[in-house]
Amino acid sequence: GENVEQHPSTLSVQEGDSAVIKCTYSDSASNYFPWYKQELGKGPQLIIDIRSNVGEKKDQRIAVTLNKTAKHFSLHITETQPEDSAVYFCAAIYGDYKLSFGAGTTVTVRA
Amino acid sequence: DGGITQSPKYLFRKEGQNVTLSCEQNLNHDAMYWYRQDPGQGLRLIYYSQIVNDFQKGDIAEGYSVSREKKESFPLTVTSAQKNPTAFYLCASSISGAQVNTEAFFGQGTRLTVV
Repeated sequence: GENVEQHPSTLSVQEGDSAVIKCTYSDSASNYFPWYKQELGKGPQLIIDIRSNVGEKKDQRIAVTLNKTAKHFSLHITETQPEDSAVYFCAAIYGDYKLSFGAGTTVTVRA
Repeated sequence: DGGITQSPKYLFRKEGQNVTLSCEQNLNHDAMYWYRQDPGQGLRLIYYSQIVNDFQKGDIAEGYSVSREKKESFPLTVTSAQKNPTAFYLCASSISGAQVNTEAFFGQGTRLTVV
C-alpha cells in the first residue's frame, strides 16, 4: 500500500505561534490528501483536504500545501490556540479509494 | 442527527474469546471501513466495504472478520486468532468508494482490552 511519512511526531508551540506538520507519500498516483484532528478518546475529524489539481488551500487559520513533484504536503496552523492541542494525522489515497495514514503528530499549544 | 455510532466505547474480554464490535451509520454512505489504532502509530486498515454484501481485506486483516448485510451496519469480529487484539478500533464511512469523493467520517471508537 501507500507509505506515508509524517514529521515531527511531537510539536510544542507557544500560543499565537505557527505550527507546521510535513508529510511525504510514495504513490505518485495519489490525488487526495486529507488532514484529520483527533482529540483524546475520540475519533479523528477531517479539518481540511486538498486534491492534486491545486497547490494550496486555506480555511481560516489552517492551510495545506501540496508539492506533487516532490510528493510532499504540509499542514500550517497560524495563531495557534489551546484548543488546537490534539493529534493530527495526514493521509493519502492509494489503490481505488483506500486511505493510508501517517503516524500522527501530537501538538501541544503552551499558554 | 446523522452520524456514525460505535458501541460499546470500552470492551474487556478474556484471551481466547471472540468479540464483535458494532458500527452503525445513518449517513446513507455506501463505503465503510475498519481501522486499528495503536499508540504512536497511524491508523491501519483492517477491512473495507464498498457496497452491501461485499467487503475486502485491508492491510492487517488476519484474525478479524466482518459482514455487510445492511448498508448501515458493518460489524467487526475480533477472533481468538488475532495475536495482539488490545487496541483502539475506529469505524468510518464515506459516500462512495470513488476517488472523487472520499471524505471519511469516523465514529468515536471502541477501546478493546483483552486480559
